[in-house]
Formats: sequence, structure tokens, C-alpha cells
Amino acid sequence: KQEVTQIPAALSVPEGENLVLNCSFTDSAIYNLQWFRQDPGKGLTSLLLIQSSQREQTSGRLNASLDKSSGRSTLYIAASQPGDSATYLCAVSQGGSEKLVFGKGTKLTVNP
Amino acid sequence: NAGVTQTPKFQVLKTGQSMTLQCAQDMNHEYMSWYRQDPGMGLRLIHYSVGAGITDQGEVPNGYNVSRSTTEDFPLRLLSAAPSQTSVYFCASSGFWTGETQYFGPGTRLLVL
Repeated sequence: KQEVTQIPAALSVPEGENLVLNCSFTDSAIYNLQWFRQDPGKGLTSLLLIQSSQREQTSGRLNASLDKSSGRSTLYIAASQPGDSATYLCAVSQGGSEKLVFGKGTKLTVNP
Repeated sequence: NAGVTQTPKFQVLKTGQSMTLQCAQDMNHEYMSWYRQDPGMGLRLIHYSVGAGITDQGEVPNGYNVSRSTTEDFPLRLLSAAPSQTSVYFCASSGFWTGETQYFGPGTRLLVL
């Protein structure tokens, strides 16, 4: 059974800092990996999707990497801002994107 | 485009009552899924569908039914509500031709007394 772990569970940083969120998964036979953002009381917003054949994806200040063989992904956030405060979730799919296995998330707080 | 919509936003049920959570998407996505989110447990897959008329079970399907008669709609039915079904329910959709990014609805908060 696929298991996804996110470390740390919570992170508090000052504004402007670069930071890395970690995600690990137990079964390397994945179809793709997605990073999501969730604001309190809201739904999930997809940030980046990495196909199993890709090594990284970038969107603005966000960069996600994937090392399938070691079962790891990282989400790098450059020059963090208070508006980045949210819970970040990592999810992997094995048979297709309709079946995601989620980590429990990292709650990020960026202090002004 | 409205994206993925869910109704109701909040519902209180008594144990044993039944109800249907509605989910609709206007992106012509083939894939739709239902997840529940519980503190300390993360999001877990309940049921999913790869197209109209095709559904399958996820990790936690017991106590829930689904059907997919159209591409747009994917309702989730609670047959006989139990307190253990108190949760936040999210519907999601994705499509092969949109890169398979999952789009989530705003969620339905369900309280079962």
C-alpha cells in the first residue's frame, strides 16, 4: 500500500526566506505527483504536477523536484511571502490522476 | 467556467438519516473522485469514476454509494449516516486533455449527530 509522508508537519519562517518542503512515498511505481495548496476552510488548489518521466517543474517562485527511484519530492519556495501561508499537500497517483494518495501536509506560516 | 461545484456547503444529519452530496463540473473532465478529509488522517479516496457509467471503490468506500450517469455530475450518497462520517468531503475532477491536474471543489462540511 502506498504511503506518503510529509516533513515537517509545520514550519514557521520569516518573510523573504527560501524554504523547502519534503514529501516521501513508499512505492516508486507512480504515475505522477502533485503539490497542492489548501487555505483554511477552502478546497485544494493544484500548484505543480510532475509526471513520472519528469525530474522537475517550475511555476513562478515555486519549483518541485521528483526523484522517483528514492521515493522523494521537494517543493522549493523562493522569497517567501505572508500570502504563502497555507497547508501544502503532496499527493501521488499510481493508476491515474483520479486516484490520489495524499500526505498529511505541511502547515506553513510566513511571518511579516 | 464554474469549475467544480459542490452542494450543500454545510449539513447536519442525525444518525441513520440518508442524504446526497452533489458534485458537478463544467470542464468536460473524464475523471471524478470523492475524498474525505479528517484531522490527523489527511485526505482519503472514497469512490472514483473514469467516465459516465463507470465507478470504482477507493480506500474508504463503506457507507457510501456513487453513480455517474452524465460526464458532468458525480453525486455521493450516504445510505445511513453515522457519527464516523462526520468529515469534510471534497469532490475533484481531472481530464487527460488538461494534463490530468486535479481540480477540487470547495468542500461540504458534514456533521452527523
